[in-house]
Amino acid sequence: DAMVIQNPRYQVTQFGKPVTLSCSQTLNHNVMYWYQQKSSQAPKLLFHYYDKDFNNEADTPDNFQSRRPNTSFCFLDIRSPGLGDAAMYLCATRGRMVNTEAFFGQGTRLTVV
Amino acid sequence: LAKTTQPISMDSYEGQEVNITCSHNNIATNDYITWYQQFPSQGPRFIIQGYKTKVTNEVASLFIPADRKSSTLSLPRVSLSDTAVYYCLVGGFNAGNMLTFGGGTRLMVKP
Repeated sequence: DAMVIQNPRYQVTQFGKPVTLSCSQTLNHNVMYWYQQKSSQAPKLLFHYYDKDFNNEADTPDNFQSRRPNTSFCFLDIRSPGLGDAAMYLCATRGRMVNTEAFFGQGTRLTVV
Repeated sequence: LAKTTQPISMDSYEGQEVNITCSHNNIATNDYITWYQQFPSQGPRFIIQGYKTKVTNEVASLFIPADRKSSTLSLPRVSLSDTAVYYCLVGGFNAGNMLTFGGGTRLMVKP
């Protein structure tokens, strides 16, 4: 059974039209991550939450925002998507215990038209 | 966070043992070394993690020398389904729970 679920798997949005990607987890993990992965590149960390504490990577564009209303859910909001934001967006979770493994969702592939 | 360096790509044949080495010269005392596997259009998947010496599980072994400035992921008897990108990550719980990926190694297993 999937433990980190991302919806939708594929998302098409118009240039400049706000879009929200969602992630839910059944693992009760404290830490949740959002990554952006472009073709043939490594995943790039956008931000992460430790419980409700939000940590934004220094080079994450202001166009990207995130919300975590509770332990189970986390959202990625792209306020004004540009063509360069087309990518796979990955959500991951990790537990509180030292050096536990991270669990990734299947990703949402975003297309901007 | 410790920066990692891996070969960009490797080729192998079915049934061979594959060793992928990762350099992490500025690894910190609290850092662990973790390897993930990623297939196209899927999220990365945990393979193995270690701190020092050797760790083995059902899919791989991880060799870490005493100075911990490098590590080697060993995949015994690879099959076509092992074709994927393999990422070496270095970090610790004390690093603010960050999980940062380096470049990865694209492994191609041929028949």
